[in-house]
Amino acid sequence: QVQLQESGPGLVKPSETLSLTCTVSGGSISTSHYHWGWIRQPPGKELEYIATIYYTGDTYYNPSLKSRVTISMDMSKNQFSLKLYSVTAADTAFYYCVRQIGWTPGDFWGQGTLVSVSS
Amino acid sequence: QSALTQPASVSGSPGQSITISCTGTNSDVGGYNYVSWYQQHPGKAPRFMIYAVSIRPSGVSNRFSGSKSGNTASLTISGLQAEDEADYYCSSYTSDSAYVFGTGTKVTVL
Repeated sequence: QVQLQESGPGLVKPSETLSLTCTVSGGSISTSHYHWGWIRQPPGKELEYIATIYYTGDTYYNPSLKSRVTISMDMSKNQFSLKLYSVTAADTAFYYCVRQIGWTPGDFWGQGTLVSVSS
Repeated sequence: QSALTQPASVSGSPGQSITISCTGTNSDVGGYNYVSWYQQHPGKAPRFMIYAVSIRPSGVSNRFSGSKSGNTASLTISGLQAEDEADYYCSSYTSDSAYVFGTGTKVTVL
């Protein structure tokens, strides 16, 4: 069964860049059957879609975050990554990496990682 | 892109049925049959419960069912059980080639 694991700093300073990596095990990310993405959830609030990447390298973003986000993948490491630029306290959230199938935002989810933005 | 509208809370007694609504627009729920539902217990990652409006992934109880009419999707839980107490979120594909989630509904089993 596929497993996803997020990794990265738990604390980022305001105006800096949040960088997270998702390591996928139990399956290859270089498949046309699935896409890969990121979703976040501020503590006590609702889920928010961030981005998707296809094995072709095509990317899709939440319009409200598009100017500050980059999603990428490294097939040799079976990993995909998220960069969120110019962060503020409003970016404090649990960040989940997900596997996506068809037109769903996520069927398998990582356990999530809390990233706090604070000086 | 505004979040889809869900009731903040829904409650029911064990064995009863409850329905959670999810209202969007023609650019998301009403425009595509790509509504998904997620269950989230406290401190846990969301669990995939329904996709394409009404299809249950393998392993999800048939007590969970989904439907859609116009710009509103619904999740029905029949035979309510204590383990169903959780937060539930809907989601829809959008005309921006993205996804939007609902505001979330807390289900309480009385």
